[in-house]
Amino acid sequence: DTAVSQTPKYLVTQMGNDKSIKCEQNLGHDTMYWYKQDSKKFLKIMFSYNNKELIINETVPNRFSPKSPDKAHLNLHINSLELGDSAVYFCASSLPDRDSPLHFGNGTRLTVT
Amino acid sequence: DAKTTQPTSMDCAEGRAANLPCNHSTISGNEYVYWYRQIHSQGPQYIIHGLKNNETNEMASLIITEDRKSSTLILPHATLRDTAVYYCIVRVWGSARQLTFGSGTQLTVLP
Repeated sequence: DTAVSQTPKYLVTQMGNDKSIKCEQNLGHDTMYWYKQDSKKFLKIMFSYNNKELIINETVPNRFSPKSPDKAHLNLHINSLELGDSAVYFCASSLPDRDSPLHFGNGTRLTVT
Repeated sequence: DAKTTQPTSMDCAEGRAANLPCNHSTISGNEYVYWYRQIHSQGPQYIIHGLKNNETNEMASLIITEDRKSSTLILPHATLRDTAVYYCIVRVWGSARQLTFGSGTQLTVLP
């Protein structure tokens, strides 16, 4: 019954590899997000996406790309992984309304060696 | 990018009210104040939000000052399970960067 689920929970990989993190929500929400939480625990928005609009945080490298096969899924693809990409990545979803709260998954801990 | 200021940490005795302050002096008229918390190793959890009026739900109360430049989250009877980092964020619609969380307040509920 998990509302927002992410897989895998842990991901260890080497520099230069390409990897994906999957996210699914069963809340019927229209908008999904990806956040990055670094070692200092700051949560930074990477993308927000619905079927009409992709909003990108301009600080995100273009090695990161969201892919949405349907409204319930927003996967995160990362090319040419770097050491600095090590972090916890959180997926979230919400209704598109101005005051709709975000519902988060439990995160994917990515470690790049 | 965060538009809010919170104390780094606070302690609260179990069973007592926890009052967590947040300053958002540059808030605009159409910006909502949201509170989330993050328990260790979990994703952030929505608590409450408001625009102008005070709000209450089963988890907490939100008190927003009349000038909207600050707010206080109140956990009426804190338990050990309320130990977490509490984030106050101001949400501007349509701008991804404005959804960035600040450093939050580490609330420790003491037995």
